[in-house]
Amino acid sequence: GQNIDQPTEMTATEGAIVQINCTYQTSGFNGLFWYQQHAGEAPTFLSYNVLDGLEEKGRFSSFLSRSKGYSYLLLKELQMKDSASYLCAVLDSNYQLIWGAGTKLIIKP
Amino acid sequence: DVKVTQSSRYLVKRTGEKVFLECVQDMDHENMFWYRQDPGLGLRLIYFSYDVKMKEKGDIPEGYSVSREKKERFSLILESASTNQTSMYLCASSSLAGGHTGELFFGEGSRLTVL
Repeated sequence: GQNIDQPTEMTATEGAIVQINCTYQTSGFNGLFWYQQHAGEAPTFLSYNVLDGLEEKGRFSSFLSRSKGYSYLLLKELQMKDSASYLCAVLDSNYQLIWGAGTKLIIKP
Repeated sequence: DVKVTQSSRYLVKRTGEKVFLECVQDMDHENMFWYRQDPGLGLRLIYFSYDVKMKEKGDIPEGYSVSREKKERFSLILESASTNQTSMYLCASSSLAGGHTGELFFGEGSRLTVL
């Protein structure tokens, strides 16, 4: 079966750095997405990786290793507004999105 | 500012009732999707549409139907609501160039409770 694993919940301190991991086992691979979802709000797009390596976008970076079936989202200089759920999703060989259950990130002052 | 609007944020219905969830997007997107989101589970695709009058089943279509009579509007219908359909329903859209490869734009969700 197809599977996306990410931690259920993480806690970090304001101003620090946090890494949210995502491992996947899917039938084929056509890219990996990260979305952010604040409580009670719509998910919003953060990043898309299809090639190995690190993509940096401001305070957020996303890394992909296709050979390891692994990605992480790195958040630097954490702010209270970064408290949210972070959703990992993989596009399989049929171009269907397979979603992880999400990681709830709690930022403490 | 691009927008996907879902008609109702919160609904409470009784078992057996017919439920309509409406979704409208103003981005002229070809692709529209309906997902449900439950605690501890990833988003699950119910139905999607790549064009007007077209619809495709997703992973969990049982108990649901959809309608896309106009490009901007995609409706989800629960013919006879059941308690296991209590959930958060998310509508999303994307451009043709993206399909499922491109960025999805989501509505804020409709939280349905079936009693």
